[in-house]
Amino acid sequence: GQSLEQPSEVTAVEGAIVQINCTYQTSGFYGLSWYQQHDGGAPTFLSYNALDGLEETGRFSSFLSRSDSYGYLLLQELQMKDSASYFCAVRVGGTNAGKSTFGDGTTLTVKP
Amino acid sequence: KAGVTQTPRYLIKTRGQQVTLSCSPISGHRSVSWYQQTPGQGLQFLFEYFSETQRNKGNFPGRFSGRQFSNSRSEMNVSTLELGDSALYLCASSLYSSDYEQYFGPGTRLTVT
Repeated sequence: GQSLEQPSEVTAVEGAIVQINCTYQTSGFYGLSWYQQHDGGAPTFLSYNALDGLEETGRFSSFLSRSDSYGYLLLQELQMKDSASYFCAVRVGGTNAGKSTFGDGTTLTVKP
Repeated sequence: KAGVTQTPRYLIKTRGQQVTLSCSPISGHRSVSWYQQTPGQGLQFLFEYFSETQRNKGNFPGRFSGRQFSNSRSEMNVSTLELGDSALYLCASSLYSSDYEQYFGPGTRLTVT
């Protein structure tokens, strides 16, 4: 089967940097995606890593290490509006192609 | 470009009834996936449809079914509703099957009493 683990809650102050980790176990791994979901809203796509290394998109960066089955989302210059849930998700191929698995989500609270 | 739409947005049903939820993907997207989200839980994968074919299915009982039409619109059906089926049901569309970037609709909030 497929499984992902991420912390349930993270708290940080405005302007700080926070890292949300995600470890996964899956077969047919293609890549790792990250989504943001505000309370009452729909998940929105943030980033995707298929290869090892860091991908930067503005204040958000995402990292992947395929050998360690590990990735993280890095949020810099935190703003109050970044308070939300963040989900990692694996993209797979093979017999599980089309079957998306999401982590349980990390609730980020940004304090003034 | 219009986003993913889901109807209805809210629904209250009684245990034992059945329900049909609808999802219209972004124009040009051929893949539609369905997820169940409950408080404190992540998104649980229900199934994915691509070009009218179910590509894969999550670990849900046979009471949960779906289909996709030739215009890529999709419906999911839950028969013999149980209290535990109360959840937010999200659909997501993407250009390709198992695409890494999915676009989610606002969801249908189903309450079973």
